Amino acid sequence: EAGVAQSPRYKIIEKRQSVAFWCNPISGHATLYWYQQILGQGPKLLIQFQNNGVVDDSQLPKDRFSAERLKGVDSTLKIQPAKLEDSAVYLCASSLRGYNRDPYEQYFGPGTRLTVT
Amino acid sequence: RKEVEQDPGPFNVPEGATVAFNCTYSNSASQSFFWYRQDCRKEPKLLMSVYSSGNEDGRFTAQLNRASQYISLLIRDSKLSDSATYLCVVNSGFQKLVFGTGTRLLVSP
Repeated sequence: EAGVAQSPRYKIIEKRQSVAFWCNPISGHATLYWYQQILGQGPKLLIQFQNNGVVDDSQLPKDRFSAERLKGVDSTLKIQPAKLEDSAVYLCASSLRGYNRDPYEQYFGPGTRLTVT
Repeated sequence: RKEVEQDPGPFNVPEGATVAFNCTYSNSASQSFFWYRQDCRKEPKLLMSVYSSGNEDGRFTAQLNRASQYISLLIRDSKLSDSATYLCVVNSGFQKLVFGTGTRLLVSP
């Protein structure tokens, strides 16, 4: 079974530039998450989608971050404009609701490492 | 106060040692608890769920104390390959997971 795919794997941009990340979840997974993981910290949830609807975006800095999940499959996360403190790994995860042994198990993609200079 | 708190470590132990990590959580309504493992520059992966009765998977034992709101992970007979960061994770509702900062374990020969 293919895992969660993310691209690009690495991105270096200057502050005030824009950047977009792409995620393709595991086939059939209804729930998709974007996390930000700053070095030395645990992942912090930015936004959670159930199919193509937003369940939780309370920690998404909406003045500069946006995300969408059209058709309930792929998702993109955008930062515009980027700040130095946005340097982090952006992880996408997906979960299959309610059908496996651990309904809350989340499967993570390899992440996108963003450096803002 | 953070919703999930862990000692960041690092815990330096020799091969074969037993090591234990604790984690505390603040939301008494939390229902599900997990330990995830994260290798350096890799994504987190589920290590084990934590059930009220405690659970064991080979050398790993997880326990939950709801009264004191803490979770523990015990690793017996540590291997070099156990070196990683162990993330304590709490489900705060509707499949939303809250991660601790992680505890780093270094197992040396």
